[in-house]
Amino acid sequence: DIQMTQSPSTLSASIGDRVTITCRASLNISSYLTWYQQKPGQAPKLLIFRASSLERGVPSRFSGSGSGTDFTLTISSLQPDDFATYYCQQYYYYSELAFGGGTKVEIK
Amino acid sequence: QVQLVQSGAEVKKPGASVKISCKASGYTFTSYAIHWVRQAPGQRPEWMGWTNPGNGNTKYSQKFQGRIIFTGDTSASTVYMDLSSLKSADTAVYYCASGVALGYFEYWGQGTLVTVSS
Repeated sequence: DIQMTQSPSTLSASIGDRVTITCRASLNISSYLTWYQQKPGQAPKLLIFRASSLERGVPSRFSGSGSGTDFTLTISSLQPDDFATYYCQQYYYYSELAFGGGTKVEIK
Repeated sequence: QVQLVQSGAEVKKPGASVKISCKASGYTFTSYAIHWVRQAPGQRPEWMGWTNPGNGNTKYSQKFQGRIIFTGDTSASTVYMDLSSLKSADTAVYYCASGVALGYFEYWGQGTLVTVSS
């Protein structure tokens, strides 16, 4: 089974900070990786697909990079609306889609 | 706009079954696969499987094989997820989700809380 591991699990940051979240796949998934943002009581929201493509309507301060097994989500300048939990998800192995454990971005 | 609207919260006893509906609108119902994803409290989302409303094909995660069934009603643009032999560990918010591309989700239902408790 493919495993998705995120780090850190919690991140404390201030408004305006540059934030980086890492996702590692246990197998090569090429660029078949997405990032979601989830706020309490809400469904996940798609931010990035194909590792680095920004979903329509998502602010340009969000960016993604990586391929193979190592990926990164970066928020260039953290805004109040960005405090949330972020999940990566692989879709290379379509018969076993899998999410990372999540990174909660908190206010420092 | 695309909308996925799910049925309401359920409370079930261990050993029972639950059936959740997901009604799609805003696009041609048979165009996109619909996936089911659940999320236990404080846990990561967990993919359960998908169904293709266009041809009825389904794929279930191995973890749920044998106790999960997806069905659909194209006339009502609705898919259903039936999970049986419920345990307390099945307490979670269940989402239907879909999108143009295979394998990731632009569109999500609002979620259905299923509580399994004696």
